[in-house]
Amino acid sequence: GENVEQHPSTLSVQEGDSAVIKCTYSDSASNYFPWYKQELGKRPQLIIDIRSNVGEKKDQRIAVTLNKTAKHFSLHITETQPEDSAVYFCAATFSGGYQKVTFGTGTKLQVIP
Amino acid sequence: EAQVTQNPRYLITVTGKKLTVTCSQNMNHEYMSWYRQDPGLGLRQIYYSMNVEVTDKGDVPEGYKVSRKEKRNFPLILESPSPNQTSLYFCASSLTQGPLHFGNGTRLTVT
Repeated sequence: GENVEQHPSTLSVQEGDSAVIKCTYSDSASNYFPWYKQELGKRPQLIIDIRSNVGEKKDQRIAVTLNKTAKHFSLHITETQPEDSAVYFCAATFSGGYQKVTFGTGTKLQVIP
Repeated sequence: EAQVTQNPRYLITVTGKKLTVTCSQNMNHEYMSWYRQDPGLGLRQIYYSMNVEVTDKGDVPEGYKVSRKEKRNFPLILESPSPNQTSLYFCASSLTQGPLHFGNGTRLTVT
């Protein structure tokens, strides 16, 4: 089955700095890679996603890159703000006749004002 | 408002007492799934359903059952709960090949 490794497990940055979270996956059939943000006590919510036919996607301060050959994808947050503090999860999804979602173990991001 | 509704939010029960956690979505999504969240382990998929009457096991299905008799509902059933099923549970739905929309979670404690 699919295995997703996520690093680092915790990350502290100064406000205004950039943060990068990396994930690797094992199943080359995975074709959809979303990132979710979970604030304390809340449900995970999608912040950005990328499909396997795209190498990079950007949405304001957030960007995701995908390297299919190396089977890894990364989340980049620029100009971090205190409200970016949360746990971030990556996921690898195979969507075909069925849909199987495998999550990474999460990264706790702390943005220090 | 488009949403996934889970009930109850909190549940304390004893070992062996059958329980059901309900999940309902109003977005006409084909795909629904259940996850448990444990510290250090992230979100692990329990069961998923591609459509009515179509369900399949995720990564941690032991001790759980599901059913999908209607498109909008996907209850999670614990026939004989045990303490190792104490966890935070999330239901989610999506269009096929789309992002997941999560419910607010159910914190289950089994003593």
